[in-house]
Amino acid sequence: GQNIDQPTEMTATEGAIVQINCTYQTSGFNGLFWYQQHAGEAPTFLSYNVLDGLEEKGRFSSFLSRSKGYSYLLLKELQMKDSASYLCAVTIKAAGNKLTFGGGTRVLVKP
Amino acid sequence: GAVVSQHPSRVICKSGTSVKIECRSLDFQATTMFWYRQFPKQSLMLMATSNEGSKATYEQGVEKDKFLINHASLTLSTLTVTSAHPEDSSFYICSAASRTSGGVSTDTQYFGPGTRLTVL
Repeated sequence: GQNIDQPTEMTATEGAIVQINCTYQTSGFNGLFWYQQHAGEAPTFLSYNVLDGLEEKGRFSSFLSRSKGYSYLLLKELQMKDSASYLCAVTIKAAGNKLTFGGGTRVLVKP
Repeated sequence: GAVVSQHPSRVICKSGTSVKIECRSLDFQATTMFWYRQFPKQSLMLMATSNEGSKATYEQGVEKDKFLINHASLTLSTLTVTSAHPEDSSFYICSAASRTSGGVSTDTQYFGPGTRLTVL
């Protein structure tokens, strides 16, 4: 099976930076996704990492270390609208395009 | 691009009735669609993988006779919850897989807006 762990909740201040960590244990790793989900809505795609290193997209960046089974999502210049759950999900080669999700990290941005 | 629609967005039904949920990829063809269920404050749980023109693959513990999936075309998959009961009340979300940019072998899943089912 696959184990995907991420913190349950984080709180940060508007304008600050928050880093959400995700660790995974799996065999046949084939990529890691980050999704944002606002309450009562479906997840929206943020980033995809399959090779080691940092991928930057505006205020959001995602990092992957395959040897450590570790990823993080970095949110910069936090805005109130960034308050949401952030889901880490992993795919493995044997499972095709199936995603296995972590429990999600609820981020609360305070003024 | 990569827009997925889902209909209806919300449905309330009586116990024992059947409910059909449609999932469409609007601007791309998706050979694979996925159906998830999400309970409050929990993460998404995959129910089944739907491939166009073939039978769906169900995850362990998901009753295929209760959750009927039909993938009639490259842009449409339907989930029918048969003989719904209150414990089936949940947020049902579909996704459609689209080729990830950069030519890598994994597709990206794009999610529909979800359907909130309430069974009375």
